[in-house]
Amino acid sequence: GAVVSQHPSWVICKSGTSVKIECRSLDFQATTMFWYRQFPKQSLMLMATSNEGSKATYEQGVEKDKFLINHASLTLSTLTVTSAHPEDSSFYICSARVLHGWQGDSDTQYFGPGTRLTVL
Amino acid sequence: GQNIDQPTEMTATEGAIVQINCTYQTSGFNGLFWYQQHAGEAPTFLSYNVLDGLEEKGRFSSFLSRSKGYSYLLLKELQMKDSASYLCAVMDSNYQLIWGAGTKLIIKP
Repeated sequence: GAVVSQHPSWVICKSGTSVKIECRSLDFQATTMFWYRQFPKQSLMLMATSNEGSKATYEQGVEKDKFLINHASLTLSTLTVTSAHPEDSSFYICSARVLHGWQGDSDTQYFGPGTRLTVL
Repeated sequence: GQNIDQPTEMTATEGAIVQINCTYQTSGFNGLFWYQQHAGEAPTFLSYNVLDGLEEKGRFSSFLSRSKGYSYLLLKELQMKDSASYLCAVMDSNYQLIWGAGTKLIIKP
């Protein structure tokens, strides 16, 4: 099945530094990737939609200058948390969207394992 | 390797009850999540089980047996709006989420 990886799994950084999180689709190409933030025992909050070769679409309330998204290829999207602060500490999850209507799979998202960010 | 299994698709009738099973093999266990995802939307949190047993929340219940590596999501009094994909995810010993491929639930009148 389709596999999505994230790197790093864990990151601890000092307040004010920037952190880059990578999301890769390992055995398929994804024109669209999504970035989510998960709060404990809560729904995944969609932060932005990342489209290969174009600017990301951010959800209302998400600062695009703080959460920089780059989707440089069909298998890689990166989320950079700039000038991270303790309130940015969270579990960040990406997913890759696959559209295979002709195979009957229609619209499916494959989720990554998540990256736990702790800002001190 | 780590693995989560759940049925690809299930069909049920409005007003009925459906049980979606999830079996897992992971390196360690720090809880199991169930999410509901409607097409084109973000997953919505349904439940979190870390201890064995049944947790009921309205029309939805979730059961966990850690010794069997098994969970199920029970949906009662099905409504058409329950048509969605249901995702099972396990948090392993490294606090990474291992995701099932999701079960597409189709509700018929």
